[in-house]
Amino acid sequence: GAGVSQSPSNKVTEKGKDVELRCDPISGHTALYWYRQSLGQGLEFLIYFQGNSAPDKSGLPSDRFSAERTGGSVSTLTIQRTQQEDSAVYLCASSPQAGGYNEQFFGPGTRLTVL
Amino acid sequence: AQSVTQPDIHITVSEGASLELRCNYSYGATPYLFWYVQSPGQGLQLLLKYFSGDTLVQGIKGFEAEFKRSQSSFNLRKPSVHWSDAAEYFCAVGSLSGGYNKLIFGAGTRLAVHP
Repeated sequence: GAGVSQSPSNKVTEKGKDVELRCDPISGHTALYWYRQSLGQGLEFLIYFQGNSAPDKSGLPSDRFSAERTGGSVSTLTIQRTQQEDSAVYLCASSPQAGGYNEQFFGPGTRLTVL
Repeated sequence: AQSVTQPDIHITVSEGASLELRCNYSYGATPYLFWYVQSPGQGLQLLLKYFSGDTLVQGIKGFEAEFKRSQSSFNLRKPSVHWSDAAEYFCAVGSLSGGYNKLIFGAGTRLAVHP
């Protein structure tokens, strides 16, 4: 079956512009996670969704970052007024349920470059 | 706070040689532990996981890992490395909070395989 998909695969933007990154989880997976992978910080948790709710947004770096999930499926991560330090690979993962024993399935990521 | 340490940033082995990648964690309770592999341009793929029970766990692609509570370690091993194993390997601990599983990753170990 289809895995987690993310779009676009690459995004180059200018400093100050807004960007939207999309994640399509595996069908039926109720839990969805966003992580960021950067050279300086490694792999960091950003936000977690259970259904359409986000009980934990603690990893979002600033109020320029926001995310939503609709229909218990697609999620969008939005970065406003992008800065060069936002350059990273943004990874999305989904799991059947949110419990600790559930494997998180990762998408290929979106590479964001802010010029 | 929970943390994961992978002491080796880069490791080079010859094809056919044995491999051990080190991982140490800091976690107050019994941890959920994972090893993921990331090939160039790919997302993260789960190799194996440990939650409880037998401390030696088998994974995909011939990998195994041993949980040692006394040493707070979860080292990944493979008896004979193949050229296709060249990739970056991430150890992670599941931070069970509020009933869901947020992954905390180590910095990763990049494996190179010589023919």
